[in-house]
Parts: sequence; C-alpha cells; structure tokens
Amino acid sequence: EVQLVESGGGFVQPGGSLRLSCAASGVTFSTSGMNWVRQSPGKGLEWVSYISSSSKAKYYADSVKGRFTISRDNGKDSLYLQMDSLRAEDTAMYYCASWGGHDSGSGSFLGPFDFWGQGTLVAVSS
Amino acid sequence: EIVLTQSPGTLSLSPGERATLSCRASQSVSNNYLAWYQQKPGQAPRLLIYGASSRATGIPDRFSGSGSGTDFTLTISRLGPEDFAVYYCQQYGSSPRYTFGQGTKLEIK
Repeated sequence: EVQLVESGGGFVQPGGSLRLSCAASGVTFSTSGMNWVRQSPGKGLEWVSYISSSSKAKYYADSVKGRFTISRDNGKDSLYLQMDSLRAEDTAMYYCASWGGHDSGSGSFLGPFDFWGQGTLVAVSS
Repeated sequence: EIVLTQSPGTLSLSPGERATLSCRASQSVSNNYLAWYQQKPGQAPRLLIYGASSRATGIPDRFSGSGSGTDFTLTISRLGPEDFAVYYCQQYGSSPRYTFGQGTKLEIK
C-alpha cells in the first residue's frame, strides 16, 4: 500500500520560514515524480511545485517562485518543501502527491496524481 | 497557461439521479491529458479519471469521463450517498505546470 505522510506544518509569522517533509512508502520513490499541492481554507486546489525523479527538473507555480524550494532525497524516500518569505496567502493545507507511473527524470511528462498524503497545515499570521 | 473553468459551481441532485459536470479549457488540452478528482470534507482528493476517459484503479463504473480538445465531462450515472463531494478537473502532461479547475460541489437536494 502506498503511503505519503507529510509533516512540518505549523504556525509562523509573515516573513518566516518552514520546511515541509513528505515520507513515502510502498512506492518506488526513486522513479516517482513528486509534487506539492495546497488548499487554502474553504478554497480549491492549487498546484505548488513538481520535482522529477532525478531532481533534474523542478517547476513552480508563479505564486511561490523565488520563495519556495522543492527537493528530495531518494535514499530516504523523502520529499521536502522549503518555504521562505511566507505570506498570509500561503496559509493552506499542503499535500504531497505523486504520479504512479515511471517518471523519466527529465521533467518532460507530468502525470496525474494517483497518490496523495493527508496533508500538513501551514498557518501564516501575525 | 491553460485555464480550466468548471460548471456548474454547485449541483443539487438526489440519490439515484444522474450527474453531469463540465470542465472547459481555455485552449486545447494536448493528448486529452485531463483528470478528474473527488474530494470529501477533511480528506485528500482521490483520482477518478485520467486521460479524459480512463477510470483509475478501484473507481466504480458509474463514474465516466468524456470529451476532447477544450470540452470535458464527468458523468456519474446513478448517484450514491457517498458521491456527494467536490469534484475538480486538472490538466497535466507536457506543460511545465499543472492547473486545476475551481471545483464543482455536488450536494444532496
């Protein structure tokens, strides 16, 4: 059974930083493209960032580009999101999500999200 | 960037009825790389349909997807009480980003 378990969320003041983690099990993590998706309270889904299986390709939504950094450690089956210069509008539930297919590593194909974690909540407020 | 517009915003139906949800793209979705997700309160989304019309693993056959180009539809043939939720469409594929529609809330009438 595939499991994605997020951690690292919490309360932070505007301008602060947080690092989210996502631990994967039951999946061949080293061949999985990984993503972060967020959902503000009562709102819809917003894709945040993608990282290819090899880490060669990293993509970001315009709303977080330059402030967030995605990374992964295939030896630890873990995905990360470093969030800096946080704003109130970054308040959301953050999910990690992955495509169940084989990611080429080049970032040339971004698959749909077969697997999701349960999310970790980030609250940015003064 | 492709913008996805879902309609209606809210759909009120009774169990046993047929539901038809629409997702319209601002430009053609390449290779019909269009997915549908279901999200219930307090839960993560669940993949229902990918490639516009292929059901994901374990999804009942009362869920079906259709369409191509810019117009896509999710149909639930006979609504069960567990089907009342929010549904999102998503564009994926070769673009260096994903986009979601704003969602359709399917509520009990």
